[in-house]
Order: sequence, then structure tokens, then C-alpha cells
Amino acid sequence: DQQVKQNSPSLSVQEGRISILNCDYTNSMFDYFLWYKKYPAEGPTFLISISSIKDKNEDGRFTVFLNKSAKHLSLHIVPSQPGDSAVYFCAASAQKRGGADGLTFGKGTHLIIQP
Amino acid sequence: EAGVTQFPSHSVIEKGQTVTLRCDPISGHDNLYWYRRVMGKEIKFLLHFVKESKQDESGMPNNRFLAERTGGTYSTLKVQPAELEDSGVYFCASSLLGAGVYNEQFFGPGTRLTVL
Repeated sequence: DQQVKQNSPSLSVQEGRISILNCDYTNSMFDYFLWYKKYPAEGPTFLISISSIKDKNEDGRFTVFLNKSAKHLSLHIVPSQPGDSAVYFCAASAQKRGGADGLTFGKGTHLIIQP
Repeated sequence: EAGVTQFPSHSVIEKGQTVTLRCDPISGHDNLYWYRRVMGKEIKFLLHFVKESKQDESGMPNNRFLAERTGGTYSTLKVQPAELEDSGVYFCASSLLGAGVYNEQFFGPGTRLTVL
């Protein structure tokens, strides 16, 4: 029973274009959402997050959009660069215990930026 | 400042043996989490410590897994006896303690466990 779903195992995008990674969730108790980036043989690294009270959060080339009614979020990377090639995990948290809950992750999307 | 460290980076053991994984969180981080990723699947939450206390162990698969955090510093995760399905990458993460706010979880590089 997956509560966070990333339905695209991989995505190939040309350098300089926009990368859009999608994530759906089912648990309406989730109120904080994050994207992590992972390179091989390394742990996930925090990229960007969004609280459920917002619908957009931007940080440089990275923007996360949240559609609560659709239980959907997306990560936009523009322009895409070769160093963006990695696995991207969508994660969610329910802050019922002061924001310290374990995260629920999706399976990840392998983003490949082609030169 | 040192990040989250995990030891060993790889472990290959036979079914039925015991393995102990270690995690050293970032200094000052009272929250410590263990996660596991089985190949091709999602990263799954195992348990959460606040200092030396287990806050949530709802993700622990069964009683072959024992986690400890003596003195609220480093943590160990012991698997005894190991089974084939325990193979995967075990991640540790830590974060600051803060009520009402979300504090970023910093992940270690993981321990890749292979049970033969």
C-alpha cells in the first residue's frame, strides 16, 4: 500500500530544457512534502520542500508545485543541467509530533539529462 | 562539520548470521532515523529515536531487528539472524529537535547489506 507514488521510473530530458518530475500521494494527513536527490553510492540529499499551506516554493532552478485537491506535487528544474542527472525521491511527512516523523518516500525517478 | 556517518559501507553475510550496523548522527541532532531501501523499491522508514528513546518503531519488519541508541549519541541496528529478504541499503538520518517545525533530515551514505 504505497502512500507516495512516483509513476515514472525514469525520465530523459535534453540539457537546457525543463525537467518535470511528478508525485502523487494518498494520505490526506500529509502536510509537508520534500524532494530528495540521490547519486549512486550516496545517501539522499535534501533539495526543496513545501508546506501544505502553500502551493508553490521556488529555490533557484528548482520549483515545487503542490495541488492539494489532486494530492499531487511536481518538481520543475529549469534549465536542466548534466549535474542534475540523479534519482529524485518524493517524500511526505505528517507533522503530528512536531515535524519529527519518519518520512514516507516514493520509489524514485531516475532523471537523465542528455547533452 | 561532519555529516552523518555509517559503518560499514558494505556487509556480505550468510543467512542465519548476525550483523550490526552503526550510525553516527550529526553532533547535536537529537532525532535519529533508520530507513531501508530494498532494490528497486521505495526508501522505507524503520524507526525513530529522540535522544536515547524509541519514539516510533512502527516500521521495524520483525523481532529479528534490534535498534539501540545508548546515551543518545550513535545508534546500532542489529539483525539476528539475517534472512535473504533483509538484503538492501540501510540509511540513517538525523535532524535537530524542534516542536512545531519541520527540521531537515540529513542522510548518511548507507550500508549495503547482502545476505547470501
